[in-house]
This record gives sequence, C-alpha cells and structure tokens, in this order.
Amino acid sequence: QVTLKESGPGILQPSQTLSLTCTFSGFSLSTYGMGVGWIRQPSGKGLEWLANIWWDDDKYYNPSLKNRLTISKDTSNNQAFLKITNVDTADTATYYCARMYGYFDYWGQGVMVTVSS
Amino acid sequence: QITLTQQAESLWISPGERVSITCRASQSLLYTDGKHYLSWYQQRPGQTTKALIYHASVRTDGVPTRFIGSGSGTEFTLSIEHVQPEDFAIYYCLQTLKSPFTFGSGTKLEIK
Repeated sequence: QVTLKESGPGILQPSQTLSLTCTFSGFSLSTYGMGVGWIRQPSGKGLEWLANIWWDDDKYYNPSLKNRLTISKDTSNNQAFLKITNVDTADTATYYCARMYGYFDYWGQGVMVTVSS
Repeated sequence: QITLTQQAESLWISPGERVSITCRASQSLLYTDGKHYLSWYQQRPGQTTKALIYHASVRTDGVPTRFIGSGSGTEFTLSIEHVQPEDFAIYYCLQTLKSPFTFGSGTKLEIK
C-alpha cells in the first residue's frame, strides 16, 4: 500500500526558508523510473507543479520559481524534501507530494503553509 | 513551456447525465514511444487527489468504467457517463511530456 505524508512548519515569515518533508511508504525511490514530485495549490486556486526528483537523483524544477527551489531525497529513510527560499505571501498554499511512476499516481493529503508577518 | 487549456471553469449537469471535459495542449503530447503524456485527476474536498486516467486513455486501477479518457495530439477529453453524486468534483489535466510539467486550470463539475 502506497502512502505519502507531507509535513512542514505551518506558518513562517516573509524572507524565511520553507522546508517541507514527504515521508512515504509502499515503494522505494531507488526503483528504476520512480520519482517524487511536489505540487502546490493556493486556497481556491489550481495546481502548480514545483519540482521532481528521480530514482537516479535527477532533478527537475519549475523555472517560474527561478532558483528558489531545492529538492532532495533520503532513500534509506523513504523521504523527499523541498526547500523554498525567500518566501513571501504568494507562497501561501497547500503543498502536496506525489509519487511519479509515469504519472502522479499517488498523492499525499497535503500540508497547509501560511506565509505571514 | 506547454500550456494546457481547460476552457470550461464550471459545468452544470444533473446526476445520470453524460459530461465531457476538454483539455487542449499548446503542442502535441505524443512521445516517441507512441504514448501521450496526458493524465487526468479528480479533487474532492477532504479527499486525496486521485489519478483517473494516464496516457490519455488508460484508467488507473479501481477507477469506474464510466470514466473515459480520449484524444490525441493536442486535444483530449475526459468523459463521464451516467454521472454519480460522488463525481461532482474538480478535474485537472496534466502533461508530463516535458518539464516544466503543467496542469490545466481545472473544471468544476456542479449539480444542476
């Protein structure tokens, strides 16, 4: 059974760094072709893909967030991570991680993140 | 980047009716392996986002047969036959042919 669960700080201030963790089970990020992605959704709005990391440590990023994103993984502990630097109120959203094996086949419940001074 | 357009922000239908949701891509989503890298997702309040269709027309495990994905090239459709009460939700298309992966803006199915 594949499950993913996101965790994060809940609230942070503008200019801080957002650190998110995706803890998963039921699959391994060392399996050929496997990936984990991060997607976010502001309240009442659509989905925005942020980044992907693959079994071979290849990484893809959404260029709209320029150089603010860093994705990484800890295969031994079944975790993936996303850091977003220099956050502002526009980064307020629910953040999801999802397994990618051709497509995003399993999603976490999401974690709400609020950026506020 | 590839843009996906879901023209309809909302569709109002009655339970039992058939509905089609369209997704248009700014370029072909056909890869050299012969597959289209277009998938469909359902979002319902309080539930995890659910993958319905991948490769444009393949239903994921456990998805009812009333959900039908079709299309090719740049034009794709998610059809739902005999809409059930639990189908009133928001539907998104996604392309994973090229990074950055992009979602359509979503179509909300509402009860008429």
